[in-house]
Amino acid sequence: EDKVVQSPLSLVVHEGDTVTLNCSYEVTNFRSLLWYKQEKKAPTFLFMLTSSGIEKKSGRLSSILDKKELFSILNITATQTGDSAIYLCAVLNAGGTSYGKLTFGQGTILTVHP
Amino acid sequence: DTEVTQTPKHLVMGMTNKKSLKCEQHMGHRAMYWYKQKAKKPPELMFVYSYEKLSINESVPSRFSPECPNSSLLNLHLHALQPEDSALYLCASSARENGEKLFFGSGTQLSVL
Repeated sequence: EDKVVQSPLSLVVHEGDTVTLNCSYEVTNFRSLLWYKQEKKAPTFLFMLTSSGIEKKSGRLSSILDKKELFSILNITATQTGDSAIYLCAVLNAGGTSYGKLTFGQGTILTVHP
Repeated sequence: DTEVTQTPKHLVMGMTNKKSLKCEQHMGHRAMYWYKQKAKKPPELMFVYSYEKLSINESVPSRFSPECPNSSLLNLHLHALQPEDSALYLCASSARENGEKLFFGSGTQLSVL
């Protein structure tokens, strides 16, 4: 069974801090790893990673994948209160009866204080 | 703003009621999904529709019945639910069935009394 584990489960920081969120996975037929941000209801897409070692960047957020060690990190620099959210990591299975199935980790709850 | 619209946003129903959740997208996506999310838990896949045909059913109880009338609409019919079915029900769509870049709706918060 596919498995995604995120750490830490929760994190409290102050504005301006830099945070690193971790995601490790076990999947039989890996296709891609995705990061989502969930503030109130709808998870919103952040990054999709398919290749090792290539950093994806969007403003203060960046992410990288290591397919050998089966993990990914999400970095947020100069955090703002608007970054407070649950950050979800998910892996996409591309084989067998699990084709097209997205398995989520339990999420990291990030709280940024002013 | 999400381009996946779900209605209603909130729903309270009794265990003998029949209700339906609705989801609509106009991005031309050919895959649509239902996820269930309990409080402080990650979303769990329920159903996947690809080109209006059911392609994945994650062993969901028959009291949940999905329907895809056309490529833009996805319904979830509810009947004889249990209190433990109370959760946030999220609809999502993607360009293709491989599930990459899912776009989620804001969800329906369901309470079963």
